[in-house]
Amino acid sequence: AQSVSQHNHHVILSEAASLELGCNYSYGGTVNLFWYVQYPGQHLQLLLKYFSGDPLVKGIKGFEAEFIKSKFSFNLRKPSVQWSDTAEYFCAVTPTTDSWGKLQFGAGTQVVVTP
Amino acid sequence: ETGVTQTPRHLVMGMTNKKSLKCEQHLGHNAMYWYKQSAKKPLELMFVYNFKEQTENNSVPSRFSPECPNSSHLFLHLHTLQPEDSALYLCASRLGQIDYGYTFGSGTRLTVV
Repeated sequence: AQSVSQHNHHVILSEAASLELGCNYSYGGTVNLFWYVQYPGQHLQLLLKYFSGDPLVKGIKGFEAEFIKSKFSFNLRKPSVQWSDTAEYFCAVTPTTDSWGKLQFGAGTQVVVTP
Repeated sequence: ETGVTQTPRHLVMGMTNKKSLKCEQHLGHNAMYWYKQSAKKPLELMFVYNFKEQTENNSVPSRFSPECPNSSHLFLHLHTLQPEDSALYLCASRLGQIDYGYTFGSGTRLTVV
């Protein structure tokens, strides 16, 4: 069974700082990868996803993620955060062989951006 | 609104009560999911329905009972729950194999007392 590990449970940074959140997965086969965000009091929303092709994927709100297959990693980045990026971020994985895409989530990283 | 509506938003129930959570989507999606979100833990997949047919039951205790009467509605029936079942219960839906992105509801915050 696959598992997903997010390295940081809690990150605090100032506005305009750069953000990088780590995500590693364990699974022997090929996977589809996702980052979801949950703003305070809101539902989970898809930030970006990787299926194949260019390992650098761009998502909404200036976020991007890079898939490094050799490292089983899919780290999320944003060059300059805003206060509105305060949220919880979840990495998720599903094997490409799973036709119904059951997602395995990481535990999440709470990001707090201070003014 | 996300297109996936969950009711109620909050629920407090005693351990001997019976209650149900409801999820409704009119997005034309044909797969629906129940997830449990507890603090500091990964989201846990509980049940998967594909075209009203349950395709997954991740060793969930029998005190949780899902029901999917049609492709737009999903229920989670609860009875004799334990305090450790207190969590945010999320419903999600997806359109088959074309797009692997889920649409999540806002969840039901369940407290078992």
